[in-house]
Amino acid sequence: GQQVMQIPQYQHVQEGEDFTTYCNSSTTLSNIQWYKQRPGGHPVFLIQLVKSGEVKKQKRLTFQFGEAKKNSSLHITATQTTDVGTYFCAGSHPMNRDDKIIFGKGTRLHILP
Amino acid sequence: DAGVIQSPRHEVTEMGQEVTLRCKPISGHNSLFWYRQTMMRGLELLIYFNNNVPIDDSGMPEDRFSAKMPNASFSTLKIQPSEPRDSAVYFCASSDQGFGELFFGEGSRLTVL
Repeated sequence: GQQVMQIPQYQHVQEGEDFTTYCNSSTTLSNIQWYKQRPGGHPVFLIQLVKSGEVKKQKRLTFQFGEAKKNSSLHITATQTTDVGTYFCAGSHPMNRDDKIIFGKGTRLHILP
Repeated sequence: DAGVIQSPRHEVTEMGQEVTLRCKPISGHNSLFWYRQTMMRGLELLIYFNNNVPIDDSGMPEDRFSAKMPNASFSTLKIQPSEPRDSAVYFCASSDQGFGELFFGEGSRLTVL
């Protein structure tokens, strides 16, 4: 079936280092969303990318959507302890009249002080 | 404005018992989603409703699971009979534009002994 693969599964970084998580789909996506889930919390929407090659920034976070709309990345510059959590991508695959969102399994980010 | 409200937050039950999880979406949102989250399988879409009508229930594991949305402000997910492998966090999410930005509730953590 349709899948969205996300790597790495876990990432430990020293505070201040950069962090990147990658998302890949075998089929073209309509759009891709990114969510953050703090430990013990619920997923919270960060951003949606729609256009081929799109790049969006939110402070230290940079989101990219691939030219072929099959991959995406989230890059965090100079991580802080508040960045701890699991980052999920969610790809929307065209299916009949409705786009069905499939979540990746997430990348768990742990910050070492 | 209140977010998505789920109840109960925690439920511990014995195998074979019936479990009912409840969700109140954000007022005005016309799409409602039930997700299940486990370490092994990540976030899985169980079913989603649009304007109170079930659109896709292909993610519902088996006949023991059922979901209803009798009106725009309430939905239930029922498991009968429950089994230990149903232990997970069940999230309800709503959206005002299909698979646009999803607003998640805080989740219902189910433990089946």
